[in-house]
Amino acid sequence: EAQVTQNPRYLITVTGKKLTVTCSQNMNHEYMSWYRQDPGLGLRQIYYSMNVEVTDKGDVPEGYKVSRKEKRNFPLILESPSPNQTSLYFCASRASGNTGELFFGEGSRLTVL
Amino acid sequence: SQQGEEDPQALSIQEGENATMNCSYKTSINNLQWYRQNSGRGLVHLILIRSNEREKHSGRLRVTLDTSKKSSSLLITASRAADTASYFCATGPSGGSNYKLTFGKGTLLTVNP
Repeated sequence: EAQVTQNPRYLITVTGKKLTVTCSQNMNHEYMSWYRQDPGLGLRQIYYSMNVEVTDKGDVPEGYKVSRKEKRNFPLILESPSPNQTSLYFCASRASGNTGELFFGEGSRLTVL
Repeated sequence: SQQGEEDPQALSIQEGENATMNCSYKTSINNLQWYRQNSGRGLVHLILIRSNEREKHSGRLRVTLDTSKKSSSLLITASRAADTASYFCATGPSGGSNYKLTFGKGTLLTVNP
């Protein structure tokens, strides 16, 4: 089954404790992206990757890092989480090209105390 | 920055009625997509309409695009309780790169049995 898998789905952590949210897709997609969703603000893009070893900032990259060492994986790293990073995070992927639907993971709800 | 803006923010209808949601955007686009999100879940792609298309159908969904007004509408006919969800439009910029697909804040549709 074609899917985008995120882990963990739920996480409560404390300020400053480094964490990684993993994202893996099994569709051989070149493009992957991370979004955060907050009430009243919709989805905002954090980082995206056009292919292995190619990443770029989205609209709200501060406080986040990403890496793309393999085509299927695109982890989101919070080096020193802060309470304003409490949010619902989504990973998405799609095939290369100018258009095309995004496939989303089920989301990771992160709470930073 | 938010490109697409959905209207209304919330819509409540009875089962069997039609639901219409609108999306306005500001800059030229390559395509416009509609997504659905059940509460707290990942977004699911519904339909994509290209900038040179005016109308598109998929099952009970009808999407229109008016590039002169920079607006789109999503019509769901004969709504069902299972259609209750948030609906988002997303725009891909013209000029070649669709990497920064930008989402609006969504319309929350409630279909009452």
